[in-house]
Amino acid sequence: EVQLVESGGGVVRPGGSLRLSCAASGFTFEKYGLHWVRQVPGKGLEWVSFVSGDGSETFYGDAVKGRFTISRDNAKNSLYLQMISLRSEDTAFYFCAKDHYLDTSGYPYVDSWGQGALVTVSS
Amino acid sequence: SYDLRQPPSLSVSPGQTATFTCSGDKLGQKFACWYQQKPGQSPVLVMYQDSKRPSEIPERFSGSNSGNTATLTISGTQPADEADYFCQAWDSTTAKVVFGGGTKLTVL
Repeated sequence: EVQLVESGGGVVRPGGSLRLSCAASGFTFEKYGLHWVRQVPGKGLEWVSFVSGDGSETFYGDAVKGRFTISRDNAKNSLYLQMISLRSEDTAFYFCAKDHYLDTSGYPYVDSWGQGALVTVSS
Repeated sequence: SYDLRQPPSLSVSPGQTATFTCSGDKLGQKFACWYQQKPGQSPVLVMYQDSKRPSEIPERFSGSNSGNTATLTISGTQPADEADYFCQAWDSTTAKVVFGGGTKLTVL
């Protein structure tokens, strides 16, 4: 069974930084791309970022490009999201999500989701 | 940027057919997928590559994609199907995953 467990959420001041982690199990980690997707409570889903299975390719949504960095450690079965210059509009649940394929040649979609970590940006 | 548009709400009676639409420029030339999200839960994939159903999703869920519109259909809608439904596609031109705004299904 695929399990994705996010950690590192919390309250941070505007302009601050935070690093989210996602511990994965139940699948061959390096063979699948991974996403971060966020959701303001009560609102829709917003794609944040994608990293390919070997970590060589990364992609970002316009709202976070230049401020967020996605990375993975295949030896630790872990996904990360480093967030800097945080803004109030970054407040959301952040989901770690497994793609169905290794990279974007598979027309990305998510086949497993974590439970989400809440990030609150507030003074 | 590439946009996917969904009606914000849909209401059906139990046993009726629920039809969700997702519109985007030449969406039929991309693969569309759909997620179901119930309150307080993470999303669940209910349709992928336009019309393929994950093994755990009931047969009453079906999908199609042509022209500018992808469609998710639930036949014999049940109260347990009440949820938000989001469409999603990959835009290879901009190299971004795109979500629709979601449709809230109410089963009256």
